[in-house]
Amino acid sequence: DAGVIQSPRHEVTEMGQEVTLRCKPISGHDYLFWYRQTMMRGLELLIYFNNNVPIDDSGMPEDRFSAKMPNASFSTLKIQPSEPRDSAVYFCASSPLGSSQSKNIQYFGAGTRLSVL
Amino acid sequence: DQQVKQNSPSLSVQEGRISILNCDYTNSMFDYFLWYKKYPAEGPTFLISISSIKDKNEDGRFTVFLNKSAKHLSLHIVPSQPGDSAVYFCAASWAGISSGSARQLTFGSGTQLTVLP
Repeated sequence: DAGVIQSPRHEVTEMGQEVTLRCKPISGHDYLFWYRQTMMRGLELLIYFNNNVPIDDSGMPEDRFSAKMPNASFSTLKIQPSEPRDSAVYFCASSPLGSSQSKNIQYFGAGTRLSVL
Repeated sequence: DQQVKQNSPSLSVQEGRISILNCDYTNSMFDYFLWYKKYPAEGPTFLISISSIKDKNEDGRFTVFLNKSAKHLSLHIVPSQPGDSAVYFCAASWAGISSGSARQLTFGSGTQLTVLP
């Protein structure tokens, strides 16, 4: 399995521009998570999906952030308009469905490093 | 309010010696704990986990200890190797009201481990 695939790996944009980050979860995984990592706040959960349905988006910082999961193999995180304070590394992770606690293991992509100038 | 805390931002250990990374949590509902390892420019990688029904779990050079009464867990690496140099994140989860909420992980801020040759 190729693991969780994120694109692009690096994104540099100017303030005010729209940014779209992409994620392909591990095949067969039913949960998908978006995280943001910054020096100040560490690794924080933004939103997660179960079977393509958003379950909890309370971590999304502002209305400028939106996430979609149109199908089981693809998700996007969009920032519009972007601001310099959005600069961070954004991770996508997926995990399988199941009742056992081992199903809490999340598998992460390599991340997208976003720089908003 | 940080529910999972890693109070040591960094740790240096000599090769061959034991590395001990610590983690404290405040939410008594947490019942599953995980350690992730992260190299630069990569996503976090699952390392080892422990259920609250156990107080120890071992996997090769890695052992996790859980002290529920103290709400404390630790990761022991013996012997430490230069390749172990990475950021280590502690994470916790619990079986929430709905099955969907069981999938959330709360991460600590991480500890940078440096193993000196």
